[in-house]
Amino acid sequence: NAGVMQNPRHLVRRRGQEARLRCSPMKGHSHVYWYRQLPEEGLKFMVYLQKENIIDESGMPKERFSAEFPKEGPSILRIQQVVRGDSAAYFCASSSRPGQGFSTDTQYFGPGTRLTVL
Amino acid sequence: KNEVEQSPQNLTAQEGEFITINCSYSVGISALHWLQQHPGGGIVSLFMLSSGKKKHGRLIATINIQEKHSSLHITASHPRDSAVYICAVRRNTGNQFYFGTGTSLTVIP
Repeated sequence: NAGVMQNPRHLVRRRGQEARLRCSPMKGHSHVYWYRQLPEEGLKFMVYLQKENIIDESGMPKERFSAEFPKEGPSILRIQQVVRGDSAAYFCASSSRPGQGFSTDTQYFGPGTRLTVL
Repeated sequence: KNEVEQSPQNLTAQEGEFITINCSYSVGISALHWLQQHPGGGIVSLFMLSSGKKKHGRLIATINIQEKHSSLHITASHPRDSAVYICAVRRNTGNQFYFGTGTSLTVIP
């Protein structure tokens, strides 16, 4: 059972270009979470998606960032017109249940995509 | 003020020492996670707690819901335990996780 996969592992973009980050959850997981880790800072929640639905995007910047999790294929985090401040590690995690209330749900993390904006 | 505070920020220990990392949080939670992040960035989920205590090998995690505090203990520490340990809480309203800034542990042989 393969773990959470993310690609690319490293992505370099120039200011103004678009960045597309992909996340394939663990088999059987239908809940996907995206997190951003800025240099020297802790992880920050960005968005929570189920198949074809955005459940919670309260951590996502209002402009230039979007996320989707289509019925088929990986979840995509898209950053338009990247700026230097977008340089960070972006982690995806998946789980089998949303974990509302007390539950045995746990999240499994991908290896991350390190985005560098020149 | 962060919703999740960890201490210490940095910790250096001799191999074999007993290590404690603390996490305090200020929001109502449904679960607390301890994560391990190795140099190079990969993140591993160590524990998920909602009450009491869990043990896995040399790692022990405890949580006191009333005091809003959790501890991660490592017994007989080893250089391969060197990593950043992150406390994360899931709020009991909504789906957000809040993360501590991590404790960087170095175990010296």
